[in-house]
Amino acid sequence: GAGVSQTPSNKVTEKGKYVELRCDPISGHTALYWYRQSLGQGPEFLIYFQGTGAADDSGLPNDRFFAVRPEGSVSTLKIQRTERGDSAVYLCASSASGGSETQYFGPGTRLLVL
Amino acid sequence: DQQVKQNSPSLSVQEGRISILNCDYTNSMFDYFLWYKKYPAEGPTFLISISSIKDKNEDGRFTVFLNKSAKHLSLHIVPSQPGDSAVYFCAATRTQGGSEKLVFGKGTKLTVNP
Repeated sequence: GAGVSQTPSNKVTEKGKYVELRCDPISGHTALYWYRQSLGQGPEFLIYFQGTGAADDSGLPNDRFFAVRPEGSVSTLKIQRTERGDSAVYLCASSASGGSETQYFGPGTRLLVL
Repeated sequence: DQQVKQNSPSLSVQEGRISILNCDYTNSMFDYFLWYKKYPAEGPTFLISISSIKDKNEDGRFTVFLNKSAKHLSLHIVPSQPGDSAVYFCAATRTQGGSEKLVFGKGTKLTVNP
């Protein structure tokens, strides 16, 4: 079946602009995660959804970052007033039900803030 | 502070030989550990995992060893193949009372030479 998909694959924006990044999880997966990977680092956790609710948003760096999953499937990560330091690869993962279930990652969205 | 550490940024081995990738962790609450493989411009791909109640898990050419007292795990690949060349990430999580988020190391770039 189809894996996790993310759009766009690349996004270039200017400092101060608003961006939205989309994640389509594997069909039927109730758990969805967002991670951010900066150059030379491993992925860093941002937020975890179980169904429609954000079960853990402790990784969001500040209030410019927000994510939604209104119908329990597709999720959107929203970044307001982008800064150059937001440039990174944003990865989405889903798992069947959370816990120790394997997290399957999408290809990521490469965000560049000029 | 890095809770999961991969101290070798790179490793080079000959085809057919054993590759050993190492990982250390500091948080004793972690009870589930995973290895992911990542090719350029792709998302991480799950490779193998191990629960803290075990000390070894094997899947084909891949074996993960866990030493809880030393807070150390390692991934053995034998025999190594050129297609194994990728960045390998060690990750850890708490499955009991945690948020199921994965905490990643910085990765080790493995190069398998023909």
